[in-house]
Amino acid sequence: AQSVTQLGSHVSVSEGALVLLRCNYSSSVPPYLFWYVQYPNQGLQLLLKYTSAATLVKGINGFEAEFKKSETSFHLTKPSAHMSDAAEYFCAVSFSGNTPLVFGKGTRLSVIA
Amino acid sequence: NAGVTQTPKFQVLKTGQSMTLQCAQDMNHNSMYWYRQDPGMGLRLIYYSASEGTTDKGEVPNGYNVSRLNKREFSLRLESAAPSQTSVYFCASSTASGMNEQFFGPGTRLTVL
Repeated sequence: AQSVTQLGSHVSVSEGALVLLRCNYSSSVPPYLFWYVQYPNQGLQLLLKYTSAATLVKGINGFEAEFKKSETSFHLTKPSAHMSDAAEYFCAVSFSGNTPLVFGKGTRLSVIA
Repeated sequence: NAGVTQTPKFQVLKTGQSMTLQCAQDMNHNSMYWYRQDPGMGLRLIYYSASEGTTDKGEVPNGYNVSRLNKREFSLRLESAAPSQTSVYFCASSTASGMNEQFFGPGTRLTVL
């Protein structure tokens, strides 16, 4: 079955450190890939998306993600964490243009001063 | 533009009671979705409507019904609420299923006693 896996339900980093949130999908065909962020008591908002153009995708708030077909991964990174980055992050995948997104279980990012 | 709006924001029900969650979008989107979010489970799709006049089951449809009232509105009904339906419910919309960004409402926090 097609699925999306986020490794690590909780990641903690120091302010200024690299942020790396992992996402892997299972599909033989490159899907459409998204990262969303959810701040406390809010809905989800789009950070970035991959739709078969450049493999390195830049998003809002300094985040970027790289699509690696050979690894079936779409990991999210940010060079330097800020306190305001503390939130829950969701990887989402659409395995075809006609199907709804499938969301990973989420990774909660904590940033330590 | 208000984007995606949901009412109510909070609701407490007793087991067996019924209620309807309302969702509306003003972005002229074709597709609309209902998700539930539970701790450690990510977002799970309940129902979606790819276009006006169509609805389809998602991953967890049992105990719910939906109505796509018109292009703007998509409601979710709980006919006989159960404690297992205690959750945060999000409505979302997109231009089309799959490859397009989904826009989320602020959510409805439902508690069933």
